[in-house]
Amino acid sequence: SYVLTQPPSVSVAPGQTARITCGGNNIGSKSVHWYQQKPGQAPVLVVYDDSDRPSGIPERFSGSNSGNTATLTISRVEAGDEADYYCQVWDSSSDPLFGGGTKLTVL
Amino acid sequence: EVQLVESGGGLIQPGGSLRLSCAASGFTVSSNYMSWVRQAPGKGLEWVSVIYSGGSTYYADSVKGRFTISRDNSKNTLYLQMNSLRAEDTAVYYCARSIAVVLSFDYWGQGTLVTVSS
Repeated sequence: SYVLTQPPSVSVAPGQTARITCGGNNIGSKSVHWYQQKPGQAPVLVVYDDSDRPSGIPERFSGSNSGNTATLTISRVEAGDEADYYCQVWDSSSDPLFGGGTKLTVL
Repeated sequence: EVQLVESGGGLIQPGGSLRLSCAASGFTVSSNYMSWVRQAPGKGLEWVSVIYSGGSTYYADSVKGRFTISRDNSKNTLYLQMNSLRAEDTAVYYCARSIAVVLSFDYWGQGTLVTVSS
């Protein structure tokens, strides 16, 4: 079965750029979506279809997807970006699947 | 404004049954793909079940045969009937909306906690 692999944790200083990866076999052929989840809250969609942003999501959040790795990039990281981030795929041949999640720590 | 409000969670003994509800507003449940996603304490997100706009239903292997997803179009509400509950079903259960073609979860409810314990 298909597996999405995320690093358990990523740390970054305020103002720097955070990159959170999501690995999967030929994931570049799939559409990848990213969610932010803060403690005690429901997930929020921050990037869909690899690189599109829902309305209300800052331009600091961007995504890319190629080969075996999709990446969520957060520019000019702020303290309020500290959260868990999940990647997700879902195509016509499979059920929805989430990565294991990455805890972003802002130093 | 799109809103999803779950209810029905609680403490239930192993082997028991529970029905979760998700009341939607701001859109029509039957015109979208509606899913249940759960999160065990301290763990990641796990998709549980989906009902497509056409009525087809699908389940994760971990709940197949025990859980049933349904909707009431007149009430614009999604349901999850959970039978033969196990300790490993303990989680916050979220309902979430997806739009066909994009297949992301663009709106989520606030979640309802199900605790399976004796």
